[in-house]
Amino acid sequence: AQSVTQPDIHITVSEGASLELRCNYSYGATPYLFWYVQSPGQGLQLLLKYFSGDTLVQGIKGFEAEFKRSQSSFNLRKPSVHWSDAAEYFCAVGSGGSEKLVFGKGTKLTVNP
Amino acid sequence: EPEVTQTPSHQVTQMGQEVILRCVPISNHLYFYWYRQILGQKVEFLVSFYNNEISEKSEIFDDQFSVERPDGSNFTLKIRSTKLEDSAMYFCASRRDSFNSPLHFGNGTRLTVT
Repeated sequence: AQSVTQPDIHITVSEGASLELRCNYSYGATPYLFWYVQSPGQGLQLLLKYFSGDTLVQGIKGFEAEFKRSQSSFNLRKPSVHWSDAAEYFCAVGSGGSEKLVFGKGTKLTVNP
Repeated sequence: EPEVTQTPSHQVTQMGQEVILRCVPISNHLYFYWYRQILGQKVEFLVSFYNNEISEKSEIFDDQFSVERPDGSNFTLKIRSTKLEDSAMYFCASRRDSFNSPLHFGNGTRLTVT
């Protein structure tokens, strides 16, 4: 069965600092991988996705993520965090054979001025 | 940009009552979903719906749950007899066509069962 682990429940960074949010997945075949962001009171917004091809994917809002098969990871990065990036971030995995996405528990990001 | 809209934003109901959560997916989308998030836990898949029928459902989606697309725009989730453990945020989502197209989520309905 598919599973997703986000080891960090809460991360605090200073504005302008770099950010890396960790995501590890468990899935036998090549997964489809996603990062979503949720601001308070809002729905989940897709930041980026990986289906195949280049393992470094670019997303919206200056985010990128790198798929590393050997480490079963899909970590999210941003070189310089803005105060508006404060939100909860969810990693998710899907597969071609199923409609569903399996989500991690999320990482809450706090940005200090 | 078109959005998935959900109503109400917050619903309070008593245990044993029926509740209907409503969603209006993006108009040209063909695939529809319900997910839920119990406070402090993961976002969990409930059901997917395509071509007027359920295409996949999770173990959570038991006989107490049903979905319907009663007209060309609404997509509803009904819980027949709510339990305390049904308290959660329920998210509706839709996508246009193939799996490659992005999944668009609504802002959610917070259901509180007392």
